[in-house]
Amino acid sequence: GEDVEQSLFLSVREGDSSVINCTYTDSSSTYLYWYKQEPGAGLQLLTYIFSNMDMKQDQRLTVLLNKKDKHLSLRIADTQTGDSAIYFCAENSLRGGYNKLIFGAGTRLAVHP
Amino acid sequence: NAGVTQTPKFQVLKTGQSMTLQCAQDMNHNSMYWYRQDPGMGLRLIYYSASEGTTDKGEVPNGYNVSRLNKREFSLRLESAAPSQTSVYFCASILGGGGQPQHFGDGTRLSIL
Repeated sequence: GEDVEQSLFLSVREGDSSVINCTYTDSSSTYLYWYKQEPGAGLQLLTYIFSNMDMKQDQRLTVLLNKKDKHLSLRIADTQTGDSAIYFCAENSLRGGYNKLIFGAGTRLAVHP
Repeated sequence: NAGVTQTPKFQVLKTGQSMTLQCAQDMNHNSMYWYRQDPGMGLRLIYYSASEGTTDKGEVPNGYNVSRLNKREFSLRLESAAPSQTSVYFCASILGGGGQPQHFGDGTRLSIL
């Protein structure tokens, strides 16, 4: 099947690191994405990683990909209150003959002082 | 540069009423998508348009129709709204295939009484 799974909730203290985990099923996915959704807003692309990469770093964000285990993680260093949002993991899939994104249910990140 | 623009932002309908959700992008993207977002379920694809003049069903097309009016615009129509269609609707676009990230509008919050 086509499933992307994430834990639904994560709470961290301001200044700590946050790690959001995701597992996916389509081994042919070429790209994997992290989107951020703030309250009342649309999805904002945070970062993405090509499937032949193990790691991608972009300022406070680090994406790790374990293709063997189909596991993706997003690490946010020095988490701030402005990072409070829902984070969606997504894989691209060509199953069904068209390019589509399969989303996880989202992880709600709460940052507390 | 507006990106992806959705109208309206909010709407309340009565069961059985019809409505068209509008989406326009100014990025000269080829492909456009309509998703619905429900709590705990991530985003599910309703319909997509790989290019101007083509539309295809996604994961949850029942109760909806779409029109790709031109390259810029992709509308979603509810012919006879039902309470189960209460959701947040997102439009997205992408330049082409190959796993490029999708760009999202801010969403339309639709309530059906």
